[in-house]
Amino acid sequence: DAKTTQPPSMDCAEGRAANLPCNHSTISGNEYVYWYRQIHSQGPQYIIHGLKNNETNEMASLIITEDRKSSTLILPHATLRDTAVYYCIVRFHSGGGADGLTFGKGTHLIIQP
Amino acid sequence: SAVISQKPSRDICQRGTSLTIQCQVDSQVTMMFWYRQQPGQSLTLIATANQGSEATYESGFVIDKFPISRPNLTFSTLTVSNMSPEDSSIYLCSGRTGYNSPLHFGNGTRLTVT
Repeated sequence: DAKTTQPPSMDCAEGRAANLPCNHSTISGNEYVYWYRQIHSQGPQYIIHGLKNNETNEMASLIITEDRKSSTLILPHATLRDTAVYYCIVRFHSGGGADGLTFGKGTHLIIQP
Repeated sequence: SAVISQKPSRDICQRGTSLTIQCQVDSQVTMMFWYRQQPGQSLTLIATANQGSEATYESGFVIDKFPISRPNLTFSTLTVSNMSPEDSSIYLCSGRTGYNSPLHFGNGTRLTVT
């Protein structure tokens, strides 16, 4: 799987949009971009994933650049409960699905009141 | 999505003993995985729990130290054997309902070895 690069930490004011960047310059055509977050003392939580089109769900939006070498996770109205470590992961979709995800260090997002 | 429950949620154990962690999923999952998260670190994949056969271990992890069972599509156990203080970590179970579905995680078992 391709390697990802994320800033180690970010701050965002409560109520504002939090934009978390991720670089994945070696991504291949069959690799998806996944985002997870881990709130303190909990297991990782799936947020969203995409291949090349922008995606939106009830939690967040995922913007993938046209060359797919980077992406941005957007939390539109951050709350204090969004304080967590956010992981950007690239994963190849195989027929067997027998792969566990490889987690990097992620971005520690701190929402400020 | 699948809801994953782990038991125990935490434990304090003496060195040299073993602990078995249980993972129960509320629906059938195709794949189950076990991860370790050492203090202040990210998650590291230990192994894939295969139903009805031996688990597939990642580099650096061996069956004698981390035996895994998966008797059916909703349950798995991880045993941490002959524990030392270096095994103090959070151990997390995860599962995937379809081959290309997202992974879902339990809240982990926080293990302290004294």
